[in-house]
Amino acid sequence: NAGVTQTPKFRVLKTGQSMTLLCAQDMNHEYMYWYRQDPGMGLRLIHYSVGEGTTAKGEVPDGYNVSRLKKQNFLLGLESAAPSQTSVYFCASREGQGAVNEQFFGPGTRLTVL
Amino acid sequence: GQNIDQPTEMTATEGAIVQINCTYQTSGFNGLFWYQQHAGEAPTFLSYNVLDGLEEKGRFSSFLSRSKGYSYLLLKELQMKDSASYLCAAMDSNYQLIWGAGTKLIIKP
Repeated sequence: NAGVTQTPKFRVLKTGQSMTLLCAQDMNHEYMYWYRQDPGMGLRLIHYSVGEGTTAKGEVPDGYNVSRLKKQNFLLGLESAAPSQTSVYFCASREGQGAVNEQFFGPGTRLTVL
Repeated sequence: GQNIDQPTEMTATEGAIVQINCTYQTSGFNGLFWYQQHAGEAPTFLSYNVLDGLEEKGRFSSFLSRSKGYSYLLLKELQMKDSASYLCAAMDSNYQLIWGAGTKLIIKP
């Protein structure tokens, strides 16, 4: 099992450009999450999904969109990148509603917006 | 509001014991998680507590007091590979994790 994978691993964008980050999991998990991690701050939830075809906003959703067309994939889109979106982005997944299910994280995407 | 507090950085000596504290305030509570994150890597799960008391897993133990909104992670027989950030996260009533900023643990020989 590959677990949770993310592509790309690194990306540099210019202000105003768009891009899509792809997250894939092979554990048949229902729940998937997109976080951003900035120095000195905790992981902040951008968007999440509780199942195929569903998405919901997290703590910091502005400037991002997501889609979950297939259970194993969760896409994060930046329509018009801004320097404030320079961050490390982590995708995570977990089995389902039970609280004891820990989240499994992908390796992260390091994004720089110039 | 919802909040997690943990120290920014701690230093300890190889072979010693260190305790990393975490206090939390959440809307509802469904458990407390600890994750380890090495520099440049993803967080990995260490422990989960939902009832008061101590959970032991080898060199690592985690404690929870729900009435005090308090948890700690205890690391024994420290090794150089334990140098990492330790993230505390509380699960709220909506089963969402509220994350602390992490405690960077530096191990000295």
